[in-house]
Amino acid sequence: GESVGLHLPTLSVQEGDNSIINCAYSNSASDYFIWYKQESGKGPQFIIDIRSNMDKRQGQRVTVLLNKTVKHLSLQIAATQPGDSAVYFCAENRGNQGGKLIFGQGTELSVKP
Amino acid sequence: NAGVMQNPRHLVRRRGQEARLRCSPMKGHSHVYWYRQLPEEGLKFMVYLQKENIIDESGMPKERFSAEFPKEGPSILRIQQVVRGDSAAYFCASSPGWNEQYFGPGTRLTVT
Repeated sequence: GESVGLHLPTLSVQEGDNSIINCAYSNSASDYFIWYKQESGKGPQFIIDIRSNMDKRQGQRVTVLLNKTVKHLSLQIAATQPGDSAVYFCAENRGNQGGKLIFGQGTELSVKP
Repeated sequence: NAGVMQNPRHLVRRRGQEARLRCSPMKGHSHVYWYRQLPEEGLKFMVYLQKENIIDESGMPKERFSAEFPKEGPSILRIQQVVRGDSAAYFCASSPGWNEQYFGPGTRLTVT
């Protein structure tokens, strides 16, 4: 069925390395995507978003890439720091379904010092 | 600039009791969303409200659950006659429109 999913449940990286977290979606009607970071016991924190009319967007140390051809989304974190350790979720807004977000299962990022 | 506020942060209820979860959106935001998260899972959409209106409740269980966002005051998610399966973290998000959503810290409901 339709879903937003992540390729890997866990990702371990060395401090200072770059991290790449991937996400696949299946609904071509989706036109807005958000990446969230969730630390243990806290609510999801907005990181970056991208609309379907773009293929790349950059923030501070983060870049989101959108490949509509293969329905793939990725979050790149440059110079990963211990404070980046958290679970990362991609979320999808399906334009014909109003404002609700469809979340993936999450990838747990662990940064080794 | 206060973020989304939720209270209580932790709530313990016995089976059969009622749970009331409150959410105050960010200043200037008129759109509120409620999501539920089970341990080690992603968030699941429950309901989308604007002031005094339910826009989308497609994720709400048909019985025992209700939500409101009155003209004055916070949004309320109400669960009647709670069961153990209702134990979860409930998150509220607010938005100025239908795009980016900012989440509160959540209410962790435990049903004993």
